Amino acid sequence: GQNIDQPTEMTATEGAIVQINCTYQTSGFNGLFWYQQHAGEAPTFLSYNVLDGLEEKGRFSSFLSRSKGYSYLLLKELQMKDSASYLCAVRVGATNKLIFGTGTLLAVQP
Amino acid sequence: DGGITQSPKYLFRKEGQNVTLSCEQNLNHDAMYWYRQDPGQGLRLIYYSQIVNDFQKGDIAEGYSVSREKKESFPLTVTSAQKNPTAFYLCASSIRQGSSNQPQHFGDGTRLSIL
Repeated sequence: GQNIDQPTEMTATEGAIVQINCTYQTSGFNGLFWYQQHAGEAPTFLSYNVLDGLEEKGRFSSFLSRSKGYSYLLLKELQMKDSASYLCAVRVGATNKLIFGTGTLLAVQP
Repeated sequence: DGGITQSPKYLFRKEGQNVTLSCEQNLNHDAMYWYRQDPGQGLRLIYYSQIVNDFQKGDIAEGYSVSREKKESFPLTVTSAQKNPTAFYLCASSIRQGSSNQPQHFGDGTRLSIL
């Protein structure tokens, strides 16, 4: 079967660094996406990994290890507006269909 | 600007009533998707369409129906057979091929409640 695991909730302090982990067991892996979703709003695309290694985009970085079925999203210099759910999604097969994890709710405290 | 428009933003359904959620995109995407999101949960795929006049069931298609008569439009009908329809419904679109870094793009969602 297809399975994606993320921690349910995390708490961090403004200005700090937080790492959100995602592990997956899927067949036909063809890329991993991270989305940010504020409550009641649409998910917005943050990052994409298909090869092993780190992708950096401003305050956000994402890492992938295909052999371990593992990814993480790293958020630096946390701001209050970063309080949101972070969704890990895996693309399987040749189409753009995604399988989503349950999401990690991040609370940034002053 | 290109994007995805879902309407209405809030929708109320009476028992035994069918309701249709609208999703329109002007991104020229071939593929479109409908997801359901319940509180504290991730996105679950209801139906998806890779091309006009074709669609496939997702993981939780029971009680739902779709049509794809135009490339720009992918309406979702929540039928009376769906016994627990209260949820946040998200529509997305993307290019069809899964060989690039192009993500799925989402609409702002429709929140459906039962009266």
